[in-house]
Amino acid sequence: QKEVEQDPGPLSVPEGAIVSLNCTYSNSAFQYFMWYRQYSRKGPELLMYTYSSGNKEDGRFTAQVDKSSKYISLFIRDSQPSDSATYLCAMSQGGKLIFGQGTELSVKP
Amino acid sequence: DAMVIQNPRYQVTQFGKPVTLSCSQTLNHNVMYWYQQKSSQAPKLLFHYYDKDFNNEADTPDNFQSRRPNTSFCFLDIRSPGLGDAAMYLCATSNLAGGPLETQYFGPGTRLLVL
Repeated sequence: QKEVEQDPGPLSVPEGAIVSLNCTYSNSAFQYFMWYRQYSRKGPELLMYTYSSGNKEDGRFTAQVDKSSKYISLFIRDSQPSDSATYLCAMSQGGKLIFGQGTELSVKP
Repeated sequence: DAMVIQNPRYQVTQFGKPVTLSCSQTLNHNVMYWYQQKSSQAPKLLFHYYDKDFNNEADTPDNFQSRRPNTSFCFLDIRSPGLGDAAMYLCATSNLAGGPLETQYFGPGTRLLVL
């Protein structure tokens, strides 16, 4: 069993839709939870990070962590074609990141 | 703008021919990482430097080596590339003093093709 599981998609939505991306994990020692966005043939770009259970909002993006269920989510409101990318969840312990496989998102105009 | 720079962006090498990928950073971060990312897969940590201290992942093949001559630069050497080493190689940095250590900033990557 992988430490971090993420549905690879692909996920295709119309412009303006609300997108929900999810990851589950097995290691309860993970301390920080992050979401990275990776455009095709580019390096990952940090979107958001959280430390505790609960919600964190940044513009159209909301990160949600439920430590009791070992489940994290990223919500994108009013999705735009420019949001089309692969979204990677990442979790950390002791200075190392463990990434999910990434979910490929396509937002159609 | 402060950033992480990787050169070259694309590298073609022959089977067994040594290759070196480079990474530089203007962020003055004290930790630098090298990841390997194969198509549609998660980035896989190869090793990292905490200042000059080298930390190798247990499953990183001996074929992969790294050098960090100063704070700004880090190199990935692949001594005898095989076809299975074709991948995107990502360099990342983080700063112990600037927030959660795990906040890593990535370069654009070098895509390696082995013929």
